Amino acid sequence: DAGITQSPRHKVTETGTPVTLRCHQTENHRYMYWYRQDPGHGLRLIHYSYGVKDTDKGEVSDGYSVSRSKTEDFLLTLESATSSQTSVYFCAIFDRERGGLDTQYFGPGTRLTVL
Amino acid sequence: QKEVEQDPGPLSVPEGAIVSLNCTYSNSAFQYFMWYRQYSRKGPELLMYTYSSGNKEDGRFTAQVDKSSKYISLFIRDSQPSDSATYLCAMTPMDSNYQLIWGAGTKLIIKP
Repeated sequence: DAGITQSPRHKVTETGTPVTLRCHQTENHRYMYWYRQDPGHGLRLIHYSYGVKDTDKGEVSDGYSVSRSKTEDFLLTLESATSSQTSVYFCAIFDRERGGLDTQYFGPGTRLTVL
Repeated sequence: QKEVEQDPGPLSVPEGAIVSLNCTYSNSAFQYFMWYRQYSRKGPELLMYTYSSGNKEDGRFTAQVDKSSKYISLFIRDSQPSDSATYLCAMTPMDSNYQLIWGAGTKLIIKP
């Protein structure tokens, strides 16, 4: 999983509660990403970061915020969770593959259920 | 219309069959084309990539790009039950390769 850890790996929460997911990497990668994956939709980009305190929105950013105060950590926050945010969340980094291609590598995912 | 179209399947084939997985795209600026494999309850992992047009082979896997038709394919020869997974295509323009445009993924089932 490209040296990326995600925590928690599973979480069940109730509608209206705040939730924070953490992505941690140890190799000083500049770009980090948060995706959600739902049946029939594939991977959809929520937010990404291109450096400490530098973030930008993806295609499905409504209801989500992010923060990156250190290179190694990228946090995804659901301010007030809704059932539509039940999903599997993946963190990714941008790195150079063994054959020389810069591309995205993924963490193991966090399975979030909002009741 | 999505920029990248991929049939979600599932595609079920018998062990040993040749599998063909495909994506179509609309943006002629795409230069890098990637295939990721995702096992159940795991993160996607890069399987193969090609640059511009042509074929690339890696063991039982062949990736093919036809830029004139805006069509990419992944072929799996002598398919094995361990190949059962979701296969996602992704692509990117050369000048912004930190952003990927994703297909929805095709779920492949290889029956023993």
